[in-house]
Amino acid sequence: GAVVSQHPSRVICKSGTSVKIECRSLDFQATTMFWYRQFPKQSLMLMATSNEGSKATYEQGVEKDKFLINHASLTLSTLTVTSAHPEDSSFYICSASGLGMNTEAFFGQGTRLTVV
Amino acid sequence: AQKVTQAQTEISVVEKEDVTLDCVYETRDTTYYLFWYKQPPSGELVFLIRRNSFDEQNEISGRYSWNFQKSTSSFNFTITASQVVDSAVYFCALSGYNSGGSNYKLTFGKGTLLTVNP
Repeated sequence: GAVVSQHPSRVICKSGTSVKIECRSLDFQATTMFWYRQFPKQSLMLMATSNEGSKATYEQGVEKDKFLINHASLTLSTLTVTSAHPEDSSFYICSASGLGMNTEAFFGQGTRLTVV
Repeated sequence: AQKVTQAQTEISVVEKEDVTLDCVYETRDTTYYLFWYKQPPSGELVFLIRRNSFDEQNEISGRYSWNFQKSTSSFNFTITASQVVDSAVYFCALSGYNSGGSNYKLTFGKGTLLTVNP
């Protein structure tokens, strides 16, 4: 299957700072990328969907000004958690899909964010 | 609205036992896809299977098998002769046509934590 690389795998940041998480498709062009959030022992909740070159579509209840998503190229999407607070601590995981992949979406390894 | 229900929160078995993980879904889409993913403690999602709504054939892959019953909106997953390495959280997921565009997004169940004891 296609490879999606997510970086960093773990990050600890201070409250009030911003953190950027990268999601790269290594061997295909990702026309669509999805960002999910997973609380401990919970399911994955879709945060937003981004299409290359367009503004992201956020799910209800997700603050777009807090979770900035940029999908400027066909191989890279970034999620920036702005002014992070301890309650933003979570596991964030991206998935990417490309032309001809139908509903195949390949997942990154995930990023465990801890805000202290 | 789409919904995936995994009624079993946790299952514990002894090695070599067979175990079935249940998944029931709801959707208004006529075309949809069902998935199973494995999430080991490290966190990454491991893709196991995708099945489209028009293909009700059951599938077997090694010790894994899946039973898709459209009439009962279920897509159950069976592990035969379970092993300790099968211990993980297993998610069932559903994707359908995202309103307003051609994107598909996944709706996940809450997951089932499977523990296989030696």
